[in-house]
Amino acid sequence: DIQMTQSPSTLSASVGDRVTITCRASQSISSWLAWYQQKPGKAPKLLIYKASSLESGVPSRFSGSGSGTEFTLTISSLQPDDFATYYCQQYNSYSLTFGGGTKVEIK
Amino acid sequence: EVQLVESGGGLVQPGGSLRLSCAASGFTFSSYAMSWVRQAPGKGLEWVSAISGSGGSTYYADSVKGRFTISRDNSKNTLYLQMNSLRAEDTAVYYCAKVKRDYDTYDAFDIWGQGTMVTVSS
Repeated sequence: DIQMTQSPSTLSASVGDRVTITCRASQSISSWLAWYQQKPGKAPKLLIYKASSLESGVPSRFSGSGSGTEFTLTISSLQPDDFATYYCQQYNSYSLTFGGGTKVEIK
Repeated sequence: EVQLVESGGGLVQPGGSLRLSCAASGFTFSSYAMSWVRQAPGKGLEWVSAISGSGGSTYYADSVKGRFTISRDNSKNTLYLQMNSLRAEDTAVYYCAKVKRDYDTYDAFDIWGQGTMVTVSS
């Protein structure tokens, strides 16, 4: 199975900060990577698919980049609604796998 | 409105069985692969199982292979997960999720249900 490693596991930031989360795959997954946002007690929400494509309705402050084994999710200017946990997920092959998550906390 | 609604969760003893359902609406259900994803309390997301739009292909995580069975009834727009030989480590919120593109086996999940809680305990 392809392992997905996210870093950091926790991130403390302030409103207006630029935030970057990294996801590494144990083998190449081309651009078959998605990013999700999850808030407590809620289902995950798709933010980015195919590594860099913004899902409809998602604010443009979210962006994704990378290919192969290294990927990043960037929030250009953190907003109060962005404090949540973020997961990457590879869909290159079954078994599908998620990263361990990055919790973005208020500094 | 595109919507997924799970049901069937509850408390079950170790070794017991449970069947989850996911009712879909607002899209052509038979055109989309579907998955089950679970989340243990306080933990991350774990993909459990997937099924193609026709139901002809199924996939399982190693952790549930041989114990869980995914199926779908396209005439009822409903996805199922039959869970047998349940263990304490199967305790989680179970979400059903729809892939973004029709006729694609692998894709990101653009629509998720609200989740149903399964607790395995004596």
